Amino acid sequence: DQQVKQNSPSLSVQEGRISILNCDYTNSMFDYFLWYKKYPAEGPTFLISISSIKDKNEDGRFTVFLNKSAKHLSLHIVPSQPGDSAVYFCAAKLDNYGQNFVFGPGTRLSVLP
Amino acid sequence: DAGVTQSPTHLIKTRGQQVTLRCSPKSGHDTVSWYQQALGQGPQFIFQYYEEEERQRGNFPDRFSGHQFPNYSSELNVNALLLGDSALYLCASSFGADRDEQFFGPGTRLTVL
Repeated sequence: DQQVKQNSPSLSVQEGRISILNCDYTNSMFDYFLWYKKYPAEGPTFLISISSIKDKNEDGRFTVFLNKSAKHLSLHIVPSQPGDSAVYFCAAKLDNYGQNFVFGPGTRLSVLP
Repeated sequence: DAGVTQSPTHLIKTRGQQVTLRCSPKSGHDTVSWYQQALGQGPQFIFQYYEEEERQRGNFPDRFSGHQFPNYSSELNVNALLLGDSALYLCASSFGADRDEQFFGPGTRLTVL
């Protein structure tokens, strides 16, 4: 039973356009959400996080939106660059204690020049 | 500044054997978490070590055990290997056990035949 879902295994976007990666979760008790990106042969790299008391968090070209009522979050990348091509994982945890993150299966983003 | 390092890179074992994987955290980090990533899936939390003790544990059987040394490095041990244990094992470190941002190593690819 997947508690964190990323229903799009892959996404292709033209360079300079917006990339939108989606994530849905089933456990309404999740309180913290994160996005990681992963290049081949490397470990995941932290991108951005958001707590359930907010609905938006922004860091440069990356913005995460949280819709708690819909149990949905999304990562927007504007403008997309070829170096953004990677697998993006959405992750969630129940509270501010520890690091027991539940990861989604990932979405492979390809940014085309 | 060396990041998180893991050894070995690849490992092949047979069913029933035991395996030990090693992780050195990023300089200055005191917390290590271990994840299992099956093919096509996101990382799954195994456990977290902080102050040389297991602080949190995911839904993994007792065959999975670990240790953290005074220099903060860590080992993951898996006994009585099953075919289903074949996966990429990721180690992540952070300064503090409740941080959102973790730094991941490149992983150890374990194949059980």
